[in-house]
Order: sequence, then C-alpha cells, then structure tokens
Amino acid sequence: DQQVKQNSPSLSVQEGRISILNCDYTNSMFDYFLWYKKYPAEGPTFLISISSIKDKNEDGRFTVFLNKSAKHLSLHIVPSQPGDSAVYFCAASEYGNKLVFGAGTILRVKS
Amino acid sequence: DAGVIQSPRHEVTEMGQEVTLRCKPISGHNSLFWYRQTMMRGLELLIYFNNNVPIDDSGMPEDRFSAKMPNASFSTLKIQPSEPRDSAVYFCASNIRTNTGELFFGEGSRLTVL
Repeated sequence: DQQVKQNSPSLSVQEGRISILNCDYTNSMFDYFLWYKKYPAEGPTFLISISSIKDKNEDGRFTVFLNKSAKHLSLHIVPSQPGDSAVYFCAASEYGNKLVFGAGTILRVKS
Repeated sequence: DAGVIQSPRHEVTEMGQEVTLRCKPISGHNSLFWYRQTMMRGLELLIYFNNNVPIDDSGMPEDRFSAKMPNASFSTLKIQPSEPRDSAVYFCASNIRTNTGELFFGEGSRLTVL
C-alpha cells in the first residue's frame, strides 16, 4: 500500500529544457511535501519542500507545485542542466512524523 | 560539521550470516530513522526512534531484523540470519523533530548477501 507514488521510473530531457517530475499521494492527512535528490553512492539530499497551505514554492531553477484536490505534486526544473541528472524522490509527512517516500524517478539530462 | 555517519559502506556476506550496520546521527538530533532502498520499492522506512525510544517498527520486514539505539549518538540495525533478498542499500537518517519531517541522510551501507 504505497501512500506516495511516482509513476514514472525515468525521464530523459535535453539540456536547457524543462524537466517535470510528478508525484501522487493518497493520504489526505499529509501536510508537508519534500523532494530529495540522490546521486549514485551518496545519500539523498533535501532539495525543496512545500507546505499544504501553499500551492507553489520556488527556489532558483526549482519549483514545486501542489494540487491538494488532486493529491498531486510536481517538481519543475528550468532550465535543466547535466548536473541535475540524479534520482529524485518525492516524500510526504503528517505533522512532522515519519517521511514516506515514493519509489523515485531517474532523471537524465542530455547535453 | 559532521553529517550522519554510517558503517560499513559496503558489506558482502553469505546467506545465514549475521550483519550489523551502524549509524552515528548528527549531534543534537533527537530522531533517527533506518530506511532501505530497493529498485522496486524505493526508500522504505524500517524503524524510527525519538529520544532513543523506538516509535514505529512496522516497516521491519521480519523478526530477522532488529534495531537498537542505546544512546543518542549510536544506533545499530542487525539482520540475523541474512538472506539474499536482504541485499539493498540501507540508509540512516536523523533530524530534530519538527513539523516538517526534513531528514538528513548518511551515505548508506550497501549490503550484498550471496
């Protein structure tokens, strides 16, 4: 029973274009959502987050959008760079309790 | 400023052997989490501790798995006996309990059970 789902195992994008990574969740009690980035042989690192009271949060080239009615969030990377190639995990928490992660999406940015 | 420290980074063992993974959380963090990463299921939470007390171990797959946190600066995850299907990367993470849940991860321990 996966509460956080990332249905696209991989995504390939040309350098300079937009990358859009998607995430769906089932638990309506989740109130905080995070994206983590993971390079090979390293641990995941925090990228960007959004509270359930917002619908958008932006940090440089990274923007996260939240659609609560659809229980859907997305991460936009503009413009994409080769160094963005990594595994991206979507995660959610309920009142700061344990983070529940999706299965991850492998992003490849081609130069 | 040291991050979460895990050891060993790599472990290769034979089926039936005992495996012990170790974690030192970031100083001052009061919550510690053990996750397992597999291709099929991504990052799965195995167990987490608040102030050294196990809070939720519902993710521990079987009785072969056990975890301890004897003090605020050390935790172990033990698998006894190990099986090939336990092969995965095991991550330890820590945080200060907040309303966001943001975690700081170690570099992981890659376990291969032959």
